[in-house]
Amino acid sequence: KNQVEQSPQSLIILEGKNCTLQCNYTVSPFSNLRWYKQDTGRGPVSLTIMTFSENTKSNGRYTATLDADTKQSSLHITASQLSDSASYICVVTPAYGNKLVFGAGTILRVKS
Amino acid sequence: EAQVTQNPRYLITVTGKKLTVTCSQNMNHEYMSWYRQDPGLGLRQIYYSMNVEVTDKGDVPEGYKVSRKEKRNFPLILESPSPNQTSLYFCASSFNGPVETQYFGPGTRLLVL
Repeated sequence: KNQVEQSPQSLIILEGKNCTLQCNYTVSPFSNLRWYKQDTGRGPVSLTIMTFSENTKSNGRYTATLDADTKQSSLHITASQLSDSASYICVVTPAYGNKLVFGAGTILRVKS
Repeated sequence: EAQVTQNPRYLITVTGKKLTVTCSQNMNHEYMSWYRQDPGLGLRQIYYSMNVEVTDKGDVPEGYKVSRKEKRNFPLILESPSPNQTSLYFCASSFNGPVETQYFGPGTRLLVL
């Protein structure tokens, strides 16, 4: 069964610190892996997208990595800001079919 | 402005009273989808549509109906809502299928008493 598991479930860090969120998946084969950011009360917004052949993708202070051999991805946030407080969702697109596989998300809170 | 809109944003209703949540996109996207989001469970797909008059079940379709008569609109219908359908609902669209980036609406928070 296709699954995406994210860890930790929640995380609190101080403003200015770095953090790394994890995503483990069983989807195989897959087309791409995305990280979405979802602010409280709003719809998710795409942060990064990586195809199965890419290892890393950056978007400002956000850097996603992908290891297709171990079926793991991570999202690294550098020099966190209060506005980074949100839920981060890992989504994998299977190579076949029309259904995405969503992780449950990691809730990040950045404190001043 | 390119966007996905949903209405209403908040809704309180009672068990059994039919309701419709509208979704509209102005990006000429072919793919549209409905999700529900519950604490600890993440986003779960209810229904999706690859194009006009083409709809298919997602992972949690029970108790919901959809239609896609026009490209831009994809309403979600709850014929007889029940309390277990209390949730946060999102509509999303993408240009040509789930492999492409989906754009999400602002969400509809539904409470069924």
